[in-house]
Amino acid sequence: NAGVTQTPKFRVLKTGQSMTLLCAQDMNHEYMYWYRQDPGMGLRLIHYSVGEGTTAKGEVPDGYNVSRLKKQNFLLGLESAAPSQTSVYFCASSPGWNQPQHFGDGTRLSIL
Amino acid sequence: GIQVEQSPPDLILQEGANSTLRCNFSDSVNNLQWFHQNPWGQLINLFYIPSGTKQNGRLSATTVATERYSLLYISSSQTTDSGVYFCAALPYSSASKIIFGSGTRLSIRP
Repeated sequence: NAGVTQTPKFRVLKTGQSMTLLCAQDMNHEYMYWYRQDPGMGLRLIHYSVGEGTTAKGEVPDGYNVSRLKKQNFLLGLESAAPSQTSVYFCASSPGWNQPQHFGDGTRLSIL
Repeated sequence: GIQVEQSPPDLILQEGANSTLRCNFSDSVNNLQWFHQNPWGQLINLFYIPSGTKQNGRLSATTVATERYSLLYISSSQTTDSGVYFCAALPYSSASKIIFGSGTRLSIRP
């Protein structure tokens, strides 16, 4: 049972490039989340999904897009990467809105 | 929006010591979680504790929702306890938008 798996683990991009981060969960959870963690700070919510086909904005959504075409997958896209988006990105899932969240191991993204 | 504040920001202890980490939140919450981020960056669930007290081995947590705080106790610290401890709160006013504190960095010296 893998839990929450994030792909890739590391990536370096140039300013203006695009990329997609993939999050997959095998726990049949309804809710999925994308966070970013900057040095010395806690996690901040980017976008989240309350079920297949739904997405909603979190605390810091600008510059990101998401999609939840399948229940087990939650994709985070950067259309035109900027140095300010250099961060560690975490995906999480939970069975419901008021249930414990389970996290992936993170993706370290550097934008040059 | 809700403010989640953790104290102390940094804590250095000798192996075997006990510690108490505090999390204050400025509004009523639906739930409260404690996480440990290990030196490799992994986030590990410790407790889901909207109220009351829970224990898991050397760790225990207490949330007093009416007074808007939660405490994490670590007894007989080990070097493997090192890392950053986060609390995260889900406010009543914002369903699904969990808010993290800035963390307590714990260093256990052998």
